[in-house]
Amino acid sequence: DTGVSQNPRHKITKRGQNVTFRCDPISEHNRLYWYRQTLGQGPEFLTYFQNEAQLEKSRLLSDRFSAERPKGSFSTLEIQRTEQGDSAMYLCASSPADRLPNYGYTFGSGTRLTVV
Amino acid sequence: SQQGEEDPQALSIQEGENATMNCSYKTSINNLQWYRQNSGRGLVHLILIRSNEREKHSGRLRVTLDTSKKSSSLLITASRAADTASYFCATDRGYQKVTFGIGTKLQVIP
Repeated sequence: DTGVSQNPRHKITKRGQNVTFRCDPISEHNRLYWYRQTLGQGPEFLTYFQNEAQLEKSRLLSDRFSAERPKGSFSTLEIQRTEQGDSAMYLCASSPADRLPNYGYTFGSGTRLTVV
Repeated sequence: SQQGEEDPQALSIQEGENATMNCSYKTSINNLQWYRQNSGRGLVHLILIRSNEREKHSGRLRVTLDTSKKSSSLLITASRAADTASYFCATDRGYQKVTFGIGTKLQVIP
């Protein structure tokens, strides 16, 4: 287990379709975060989990977005009825809760979503 | 919303020169972190400085933090072409998530 893994790396979808992304964090990290990054901007927080519990959701996460972490291991982020404004890089990160708050995140390489 | 603002937004230097990037933020923090992002990739954690620390070093990186001015700087000494990337500061306010700035795009010319 060498890092945070995200799949797919790229996704092109038609407007109105549903998409699902997967994140596999570092196995001993019980915190998992989702961020969204648009071109020329910094990452914006979407949601985070501690184990299987979703502890916070940003207001950016509309009702079309849902995230799960069913067994406290991998997580999925689903976007329903995609819109062109959803086009962005979706980043997943993990960290060990017992070393917080003074510990950095480990990010995956991201999933780039293009809605056409 | 993004808490930090990096300055400058873009920086171009010759290889071997030092690069300095600044970050200002608005509210009190637990710690401030710097990340690097190569084009189209994820972010890599570089260094974390706690609110009770004033300076920290890691290899060619030097970070300072001035909580009275709500600002931080990242210095990369003896820059290399491989340092070309975007650099982001991120603040941890103790709410269990970090908030990123918009970044500084650094280009190191060989």
